[in-house]
Amino acid sequence: QQQVKQSPQSLIVQKGGISIINCAYENTAFDYFPWYQQFPGKGPALLIAIRPDVSEKKEGRFTISFNKSAKQFSLHIMDSQPGDSATYFCAASSYRDDKIIFGKGTRLHILP
Amino acid sequence: KAGVTQTPRYLIKTRGQQVTLSCSPISGHRSVSWYQQTPGQGLQFLFEYFSETQRNKGNFPGRFSGRQFSNSRSEMNVSTLELGDSALYLCASSWGGRNREAFFGQGTRLTVV
Repeated sequence: QQQVKQSPQSLIVQKGGISIINCAYENTAFDYFPWYQQFPGKGPALLIAIRPDVSEKKEGRFTISFNKSAKQFSLHIMDSQPGDSATYFCAASSYRDDKIIFGKGTRLHILP
Repeated sequence: KAGVTQTPRYLIKTRGQQVTLSCSPISGHRSVSWYQQTPGQGLQFLFEYFSETQRNKGNFPGRFSGRQFSNSRSEMNVSTLELGDSALYLCASSWGGRNREAFFGQGTRLTVV
């Protein structure tokens, strides 16, 4: 049972464009939603995270939008740069057990 | 501040052997989680330890086990290795409790031949 569904699997964006990755969840006990960025040969790095009491969180060029009623959240990367090319994972965690459940990942490629 | 350290970085083992992987969390972090990452299955949760106790366990066979020491360092053991166990094994540490920011190590690349 995939508790966090992520789309698209891969994404190609022109430099300077907006990259958008979407995730949906089912478990209403989830109350912490982090995004991770992973470069080849490295472990995932925490990028930005949100809790369901806010609808949007922005850190630099990265913004999370959260829709609690639809049980969906998304990552927007503004002014995308070639250095943003990586695999991005959305994730969710429940207050009940702290276990982090990951989406399948999106491989992002920014064209120079 | 030192990050999460995993050793070794690379391992090659033969089917049927056993292997032990090590993880040193960020200083002060009491929660350590282990994940298996493969191209087909993505990041799958193995187990989580907090203050030397296993709090959560994923859907992996009993060949996968772990433990945590009093200094929060953790080890993961896989016995009777199978070809399908070839993967990147990642460790993540966090404070635990309400602060769930988890930080990953670089992983141990295990190849079973």
